[in-house]
Amino acid sequence: DAGVIQSPRHEVTEMGQEVTLRCKPISGHDYLFWYRQTMMRGLELLIYFNNNVPIDDSGMPEDRFSAKMPNASFSTLKIQPSEPRDSAVYFCASSWDRTYNEQFFGPGTRLTVL
Amino acid sequence: GQQVMQIPQYQHVQEGEDFTTYCNSSTTLSNIQWYKQRPGGHPVFLIQLVKSGEVKKQKRLTFQFGEAKKNSSLHITATQTTDVGTYFCAGNTGGFKTIFGAGTRLFVKA
Repeated sequence: DAGVIQSPRHEVTEMGQEVTLRCKPISGHDYLFWYRQTMMRGLELLIYFNNNVPIDDSGMPEDRFSAKMPNASFSTLKIQPSEPRDSAVYFCASSWDRTYNEQFFGPGTRLTVL
Repeated sequence: GQQVMQIPQYQHVQEGEDFTTYCNSSTTLSNIQWYKQRPGGHPVFLIQLVKSGEVKKQKRLTFQFGEAKKNSSLHITATQTTDVGTYFCAGNTGGFKTIFGAGTRLFVKA
């Protein structure tokens, strides 16, 4: 199994530009999570999906952030417009076992907004 | 809202010394997980504890879940340079919403 796949691995953009991060969960996993990691705030859960449906998006910082999961094998996290304070590593993770909450993390996307 | 506090923030040890990180939740947890993140890497699941007072071991690592299910610890015996990284606890009060602690970064000097 290839594990959770994220793209791009690195993204450098200018303030005001739209950024789209992509994630492919492990096949068969029906939970998908988006996290943001910074030195100041640590690892924050932004949103998670179950069977492609958003369950909890209370961690999404503001309206500039949106996430979609059009099918079981693909999810996007979009920031529009991006700001320098959005610079962080964004992780996608997936899980499948309802009684054992092990989450499998992707390699992350390092986003830098200039 | 729910908070998960983790201490210490950093720990420097000499190879062969023991290491412990502690995790405390403001609310009772249904379970707690531990993850390890190597520098430049991504979090990797280590273990999940569910039962009150549970103790689990993985080789040199010992994990404990408190009787009140509000605190947990990870103890590493005789650290090795391969133990370097950040150790996170992650609490869950039900469902799949997981709150991560700030992590304890472990430095091991050979």
